[in-house]
Amino acid sequence: ETGVTQTPRHLVMGMTNKKSLKCEQHLGHNAMYWYKQSAKKPLELMFVYSLEERVENNSVPSRFSPECPNSSHLFLHLHTLQPEDSALYLCASSPGDRGQVEQYFGPGTRLTVT
Amino acid sequence: AQSVTQLGSHVSVSEGALVLLRCNYSSSVPPYLFWYVQYPNQGLQLLLKYTSAATLVKGINGFEAEFKKSETSFHLTKPSAHMSDAAEYFCAVRGYNQGGKLIFGQGTELSVKP
Repeated sequence: ETGVTQTPRHLVMGMTNKKSLKCEQHLGHNAMYWYKQSAKKPLELMFVYSLEERVENNSVPSRFSPECPNSSHLFLHLHTLQPEDSALYLCASSPGDRGQVEQYFGPGTRLTVT
Repeated sequence: AQSVTQLGSHVSVSEGALVLLRCNYSSSVPPYLFWYVQYPNQGLQLLLKYTSAATLVKGINGFEAEFKKSETSFHLTKPSAHMSDAAEYFCAVRGYNQGGKLIFGQGTELSVKP
């Protein structure tokens, strides 16, 4: 497996469910990111992890809880979501979180909250 | 603070015609600029990046972009469109030596007519 992978690719959940999104990068990078992509809106950065420490949290509701157990894995734990949370959730990684480095994206998880 | 504006949410060209996707940025510090492409049901793929070296940047799939500081622009071009270029294109900016936050534009959907 190469690049950035995300599982599951599609997820349908009710508002009372608890689920987790998983991201794994096989690039040896030190920084990982969660983005939310909603229709007709720019990509929204949710969380940034650098060397497994959270360095940014963009006022994301507490019903989204990230976890970065090591530099290769990133999770997004979901609970009591709202229908407006339905979106494509993208994970990305980069060699570091500063400088001229670009981010490499996974294919995303399409989340539908019913 | 940085921001990105992409002029035109939808651009349509004929196969073989010039592709021009417009991006203007606002940044209080020297910027790094990126163009990404997103095909349906996929994540974002880096097309090219500007990192303060040459102002004309060549990317993959025949795309290029020119950084014009005086116009605060970073427009994406391709001399001859191919059907496979149909996708959504995102311009993004981040500040020099700033954290991992990429600021994305709203995206431009490119259609290519036969």
